[in-house]
Amino acid sequence: EVRLVESGGSLVQPGGSLRLSCAASGFTFGNYWMHWVRQAPGKGLVWVSRIDPDGSATTYGDAVMGRFAVSRDNAKDTLSLQMNSLRDEDTAVYYCARARGDGYSRNAFDIWGQGTMVTVSS
Amino acid sequence: DIQMTQSPSSLSASVGDRVTIACQATQDINTFLNWFQQKPGQAPYLLIYDASSLETGVPSRFSGSASGTDFTLTISSLQPEDVATYYCQQYKRLPVTFGQGTRLEIK
Repeated sequence: EVRLVESGGSLVQPGGSLRLSCAASGFTFGNYWMHWVRQAPGKGLVWVSRIDPDGSATTYGDAVMGRFAVSRDNAKDTLSLQMNSLRDEDTAVYYCARARGDGYSRNAFDIWGQGTMVTVSS
Repeated sequence: DIQMTQSPSSLSASVGDRVTIACQATQDINTFLNWFQQKPGQAPYLLIYDASSLETGVPSRFSGSASGTDFTLTISSLQPEDVATYYCQQYKRLPVTFGQGTRLEIK
């Protein structure tokens, strides 16, 4: 079974840091582009970041650029998101998502994890 | 950025009804569009990719179509388990963008 499982979400103070993880199973993780998407409580879906299959190329949304860093360990089938200088507006459920293929499909999500909640509050 | 506008924002229909949800892009995205279903407390679930291709395992009552920058998700006969919020997503260009969602309820 293809599966993504996020972990690491918690309550953190503004200005703090947090590291999220996403464990992949059931597919060859190192062959796929991977993304992070977030959803603030009661709101819609917002793309956060992307990483290529070998971890050499990363891209970020404007809201998190310079504060968040995505990485991956293909030997451990794990995706990570290092979140620094957290703000109230970063409060959200964070999902990792697999992209279906290459070309334009490198941005087409097919499998999502169940999400992990990050709350930024003093 | 490419903006995706869904309509309506909410919808109430009866079991067995034909339901249509629209999504419009602010520029040409070819057919690089997904439709997702999200039930409360759950992750999004892929229904349709490439605007009109049915994802494996998705019931055939779901279908998608495209005309220029206008896209449509149709449920041919609404079932109680279809209560959810539906999102379109363009993947022509970064940043990936989503519609604001359409909340579907049963009358």
